[in-house]
Amino acid sequence: DGGITQSPKYLFRKEGQNVTLSCEQNLNHDAMYWYRQDPGQGLRLIYYSQIVNDFQKGDIAEGYSVSREKKESFPLTVTSAQKNPTAFYLCASSADTDTQYFGPGTRLTVL
Amino acid sequence: DQQVKQNSPSLSVQEGRISILNCDYTNSMFDYFLWYKKYPAEGPTFLISISSIKDKNEDGRFTVFLNKSAKHLSLHIVPSQPGDSAVYFCAASENNAGNNRKLIWGLGTSLAVNP
Repeated sequence: DGGITQSPKYLFRKEGQNVTLSCEQNLNHDAMYWYRQDPGQGLRLIYYSQIVNDFQKGDIAEGYSVSREKKESFPLTVTSAQKNPTAFYLCASSADTDTQYFGPGTRLTVL
Repeated sequence: DQQVKQNSPSLSVQEGRISILNCDYTNSMFDYFLWYKKYPAEGPTFLISISSIKDKNEDGRFTVFLNKSAKHLSLHIVPSQPGDSAVYFCAASENNAGNNRKLIWGLGTSLAVNP
């Protein structure tokens, strides 16, 4: 069945290490998005991509990088330059409407 | 500056009664509004949306009302059920000339429906 998958559900990394979060969708959506959510806060946009091989910075892109080599995949790399990487990361996709559909999220904890 | 504001961080209602969640916005260029429901440690789930050309949209127990002159929208849940207990996010989208539409999110309202 169609949907958005994020793996893993929980991820632990040591400080100073880069880590890549996976996001895959089989909904044939053109646009994909990465958000982070911190306790008691809303969703903040990190990066988004409207089409393959193109992406734009969101509101808090510093310390993150993305790629969009395939329509189905939009991996997010949290680099060592990100000062506060511990958070709940959410991936979403949308067709040509504004409605975004979310994956289950990845909880990243940096030790 | 928050363009989409949910001024009530939390709301508590009795099972069977109406829940009313409010959202205000400042950008008159917003033309599409959405409500999402989120459980802890899960991704948000789309609930209902409304275009700026309408003032009401209904889907089962959920109704969204839009008052453009007041830049205000509300989500009504009737009757409220314990399973509705979650954080509700309001989001808005702007009609701009480019193709880079993105959603602007409120900070959420935590709804507790008590049995």
